[in-house]
Amino acid sequence: QVQLQESGPGLVKPSQTLSLTCTVSGGSINNGNYYWSWIRQPAGKGPEWIGRIYYTGSTTYNPSLKSRVTMSVDTSRNQFSLNLTSVTAADTAVYYCARERASRSEDVFDIWGQGTMVTVSS
Amino acid sequence: EIVMTQSPATLSVSPGERATLSCRASQSVFTNLAWYQQKPGQPPRLLIYGASTRATGIPARFSGSGSGTEFTLTISSLQSEDFALYYCQQYNSWWTFGQGTKVAIK
Repeated sequence: QVQLQESGPGLVKPSQTLSLTCTVSGGSINNGNYYWSWIRQPAGKGPEWIGRIYYTGSTTYNPSLKSRVTMSVDTSRNQFSLNLTSVTAADTAVYYCARERASRSEDVFDIWGQGTMVTVSS
Repeated sequence: EIVMTQSPATLSVSPGERATLSCRASQSVFTNLAWYQQKPGQPPRLLIYGASTRATGIPARFSGSGSGTEFTLTISSLQSEDFALYYCQQYNSWWTFGQGTKVAIK
């Protein structure tokens, strides 16, 4: 079965760039039936969608984060990545990668990684 | 942005009883509504999509209803493994989640 695993630094300094990678196993990221998303969840709060990428490299970002977010995909490694620039303490959260169904009527996140805690602190 | 409001924040229920969770959207999302379950230290797990369709492997005691701006998740007979956080999420216009309802043991 498809599994996702996040990786990257757990501590980032303010004003620097947060960089995370999600590795997809048990299935191909080239599957046109899915998008690949990043979602974050601050402690004690609901999740917040950050953005998504298609295997072609096409991206869609949350308007509230768009100026700071870049996503990329590496189909040869079955990975996709997130860069979030100019981070502040407000960006401290558990970051999840997730598979999103590319269907208008079922546009939901059906498989999630375990999540990685990222703290922004000097 | 569509704001999702869940109530109550905490629901205390005895095992075997019925739990009813509510979710309200700030504007119509039709039936583009999903429910997720989250346990401590775990990612959210998809339960329901299309407001009422159970995801693969989800027990029949979970049911969803509603359309437009008002939605309900019902757990017909609470099992020990059902005590968790539950989030609603709309996917009609971008993707936004509610703040969650905690189902706690009474």
